[in-house]
Amino acid sequence: DAGITQSPRHKVTETGTPVTLRCHQTENHRYMYWYRQDPGHGLRLIHYSYGVKDTDKGEVSDGYSVSRSKTEDFLLTLESATSSQTSVYFCAISESSTGTGELFFGEGSRLTVL
Amino acid sequence: AQSVTQLDSQVPVFEEAPVELRCNYSSSVSVYLFWYVQYPNQGLQLLLKYLSGSTLVESINGFEAEFNKSQTSFHLRKPSVHISDTAEYFCAVRDTGGFKTIFGAGTRLFVKA
Repeated sequence: DAGITQSPRHKVTETGTPVTLRCHQTENHRYMYWYRQDPGHGLRLIHYSYGVKDTDKGEVSDGYSVSRSKTEDFLLTLESATSSQTSVYFCAISESSTGTGELFFGEGSRLTVL
Repeated sequence: AQSVTQLDSQVPVFEEAPVELRCNYSSSVSVYLFWYVQYPNQGLQLLLKYLSGSTLVESINGFEAEFNKSQTSFHLRKPSVHISDTAEYFCAVRDTGGFKTIFGAGTRLFVKA
């Protein structure tokens, strides 16, 4: 199994509070991604990173920011959480932009915004 | 931009029966195609992938998918399902020159005894 750890695994917070989710990998993969999973929508890409300090927006980036100061860590921040951000968040990593681009996923972080 | 449509949100089937989960994609460029599986309370894991070459690809647990370029489809099939195949299945696409993978909405396969 790919070494991907997400923390926290579960979090309940209140509307308007900041939240940071962490993804840590031990595979030294260049590409890292944050997805959210919602019923009826599958997985939607929030942000991704193609190197240290290199990030870009995905399909549903509004209300989210990311940072990657080290190869192994990719942080997702909700500056002011809203109920619409209640979801399960998955981190994924990929070895390179060429080749297969197969994604390896973490176990997910379930976030509830009250 | 790519998009993926999974035509069935839920597929109930009896054990040992055949099953087909349908997937259509849209893209203006060449793509790689994937099927991922998610068991309850777990992350996703790769089931099989089409990169190039033979249009029929197989997984180690008996699933197969066929890439049909003219119909822009990548349907997943299994001739005889088991209870343990109960899971959610996601079709995904990535253009060959990029690094963003786009997922469909998922199909819940429920295998009944």
